[in-house]
Amino acid sequence: AQKITQTQPGMFVQEKEAVTLDCTYDTSDPSYGLFWYKQPSSGEMIFLIYQGSYDQQNATEGRYSLNFQKARKSANLVISASQLGDSAMYFCAMREGKFNKFYFGSGTKLNVKP
Amino acid sequence: DVKVTQSSRYLVKRTGEKVFLECVQDMDHENMFWYRQDPGLGLRLIYFSYDVKMKEKGDIPEGYSVSREKKERFSLILESASTNQTSMYLCASSLMGSNQPQHFGDGTRLSIL
Repeated sequence: AQKITQTQPGMFVQEKEAVTLDCTYDTSDPSYGLFWYKQPSSGEMIFLIYQGSYDQQNATEGRYSLNFQKARKSANLVISASQLGDSAMYFCAMREGKFNKFYFGSGTKLNVKP
Repeated sequence: DVKVTQSSRYLVKRTGEKVFLECVQDMDHENMFWYRQDPGLGLRLIYFSYDVKMKEKGDIPEGYSVSREKKERFSLILESASTNQTSMYLCASSLMGSNQPQHFGDGTRLSIL
């Protein structure tokens, strides 16, 4: 079974609007971390936001927030007020297990239209 | 700022060659990772190391080996390069702990001819 599932291969959003990128995960470990990364066309992976499995509140970092629904095992990324520079690939990841391995989804390509 | 440096941004090698990809981090991180990234497949873990001289296989270790003789350096070795190993290779490092993010290098785009 896939550990991380991102069902949206590509998305478009109008500049200044909000967008939600979906991520579901699968684990039986009670302690895990969820991460989102951004990969622009230049190729570097940029860490955006983290949510711990025991965190009661949704994580926020500037225009990024993580909609964490533990019972549904979902960790959607919300980007508010989209900017042209937000156009990139976005990866959801989970860290868990004995060696704290990372598991990545297949990514969502976001295009922000002017 | 954490710095993860990969030795080459672009590399072209021939089938059958032994290929070394080097990765160095400057933040005293215990964990280091090698991934390959292919379109539509996301990042796939090749090997990781949770301490010096320690290594664990990831999801796709076949055709690869690794070496971690010093804490700051993690090398990926393609023993006998094949064309299906043409890919983007990403190195990452992190502290131990499920709340610790990975920090990535800029990647090496490897072409095997």
